[in-house]
Amino acid sequence: QKEVEQNSGPLSVPEGAIASLNCTYSDRGSQSFFWYRQYSGKSPELIMFIYSNGDKEDGRFTAQLNKASQYVSLLIRDSQPSDSATYLCAVNWQGAQKLVFGQGTRLTINP
Amino acid sequence: DAGVIQSPRHEVTEMGQEVTLRCKPISGHNSLFWYRQTMMRGLELLIYFNNNVPIDDSGMPEDRFSAKMPNASFSTLKIQPSEPRDSAVYFCASSGSELYTQYFGPGTRLTVL
Repeated sequence: QKEVEQNSGPLSVPEGAIASLNCTYSDRGSQSFFWYRQYSGKSPELIMFIYSNGDKEDGRFTAQLNKASQYVSLLIRDSQPSDSATYLCAVNWQGAQKLVFGQGTRLTINP
Repeated sequence: DAGVIQSPRHEVTEMGQEVTLRCKPISGHNSLFWYRQTMMRGLELLIYFNNNVPIDDSGMPEDRFSAKMPNASFSTLKIQPSEPRDSAVYFCASSGSELYTQYFGPGTRLTVL
């Protein structure tokens, strides 16, 4: 099992719909969970972080964490073409500062 | 406030040459991370420093790679000798007081011919 797994996509969503991105992780010692957005040819940009079970909302973005199921997700409401990018899930490994990244999910928002 | 600064942004070199990548972390951040990104392997952590001290270099692929952080505002990643399989985008990231949150620089695209 990979340490952090994401569906590589591509995930295609119509403009205005909800995009749902999923991530599972194998280390039960992970405490911090991150979603980064990466446009083609650019560096990863932090969107959200979550530490506690449940939902965390920031504008159109909602991160959801379920530590018992070792599952973290990102919902993007009212998807815009500018949301088209690769989304990387990251978790801190064994409670340390080291982050392990998934392979990323490529999201395309169709106008 | 300036973000993480990396130089050069692009580097093209020939196999066997020495390559030095540079990074300036965000002022006040005490942790610095070097990553490599390729299509095949994704984003991989190479090494990270806490307060200028290397903490985990288990991701450094081989002895040809070395990294230093002589002070809180500067780090280098050196490849000597370089090989075509080292071609990738190398990112530097830094982290401060926000628990484990890392901020990435623009990256250096390295091409080894």
